[in-house]
Amino acid sequence: RKEVEQDPGPFNVPEGATVAFNCTYSNSASQSFFWYRQDCRKEPKLLMSVYSSGNEDGRFTAQLNRASQYISLLIRDSKLSDSATYLCVVNKERSNYKLTFGKGTLLTVNP
Amino acid sequence: GAGVSQSPSNKVTEKGKDVELRCDPISGHTALYWYRQSLGQGLEFLIYFQGNSAPDKSGLPSDRFSAERTGGSVSTLTIQRTQQEDSAVYLCASSPPDRSTDTQYFGPGTRLTVL
Repeated sequence: RKEVEQDPGPFNVPEGATVAFNCTYSNSASQSFFWYRQDCRKEPKLLMSVYSSGNEDGRFTAQLNRASQYISLLIRDSKLSDSATYLCVVNKERSNYKLTFGKGTLLTVNP
Repeated sequence: GAGVSQSPSNKVTEKGKDVELRCDPISGHTALYWYRQSLGQGLEFLIYFQGNSAPDKSGLPSDRFSAERTGGSVSTLTIQRTQQEDSAVYLCASSPPDRSTDTQYFGPGTRLTVL
């Protein structure tokens, strides 16, 4: 089983749609979880951290299920500018902040 | 403020040549990381620095790869005798000393092409 696994997509959705991405991780001792966004030929940028209680930032909602080792990202009312690759990221060991990245899910929002 | 910067932005080299990639982290960030991203692949961890020491070099793919950091700031990743499979985008990231966050801030990367 891969350390961090994501559906690669691509996801093609119309503007205004709601889209959800899922991610699973293999190490049950993983400490912290994130979603990063990467635009084409650009560097990854932190979108949001993921907390056990779930967290929301505007149109974006992240959920963590430790029992199932599963992370999700929900985007509501998607915009053209949401088109990007979404990276699921896990920190296995708090001591050195080593991040493990999934390969990403490509989202294209169409007009 | 200034973000992480990397140079060069693009590097084309011939197989067998050595290359040096540079990273300037955000001022005050004590932790520095190197990753590489090959076409269609996820980010692959290479090495982590805390200050000038590298407690985790586990991701370096071979002994042709080395990295150093001086003055707790600038880092250089060196690839000796480059091979075509070394072609990738090399990304540097840094993070602040505040251990309440694991956020890493990435530079724009160096796109390395080995002919």
